[in-house]
Amino acid sequence: KQEVTQIPAALSVPEGENLVLNCSFTDSAIYNLQWFRQDPGKGLTSLLLIQSSQREQTSGRLNASLDKSSGRSTLYIAASQPGDSATYLCAVRLTSYDKVIFGPGTSLSVIP
Amino acid sequence: EAQVTQNPRYLITVTGKKLTVTCSQNMNHEYMSWYRQDPGLGLRQIYYSMNVEVTDKGDVPEGYKVSRKEKRNFPLILESPSPNQTSLYFCASSHPNEKLFFGSGTQLSVL
Repeated sequence: KQEVTQIPAALSVPEGENLVLNCSFTDSAIYNLQWFRQDPGKGLTSLLLIQSSQREQTSGRLNASLDKSSGRSTLYIAASQPGDSATYLCAVRLTSYDKVIFGPGTSLSVIP
Repeated sequence: EAQVTQNPRYLITVTGKKLTVTCSQNMNHEYMSWYRQDPGLGLRQIYYSMNVEVTDKGDVPEGYKVSRKEKRNFPLILESPSPNQTSLYFCASSHPNEKLFFGSGTQLSVL
């Protein structure tokens, strides 16, 4: 059974610091992996989607990598800002029409 | 504007009173899904649908029903709600190989 974990559970950094969030999954047979952001009491906003054949995706200050063989993905946030404070979740999709399994999330706080 | 719309945003009900949470998307997505989010347990999938009249169970389907009679709508039905179904519910949709779009959520309290 596919399981998704995220480390650390919580992270507090000063503004301007570069940071890395980690996501691990137990079964490498995934279709794609997606990173989301969730603000308190709000829905999830998609940040980056990496297909199983890709190694990384970039959007602005965000860069996500995928290493299927080791069951890992990282989300790199450059020059963090207080507005980046939120919970970040990763999710793996098993097939094109199948379940999407979420990790527990990393709660990020960027201190001004 | 492309969006997934859930209603209601907040709902308080009593044990055993049937309720429906609606979900509609305007992006012609084939895939739709329901999740519940609970503190310490994260997001767990309830049901998902690959297309009209095609649905399958997620990880926590007990106590819930769904139907997909139209491509744009995917309602979640609680026939006899119980307090352990108090949760934050999210609907989501996507094309098979594209980003998953989420609704704003429905906070349900069952007394």
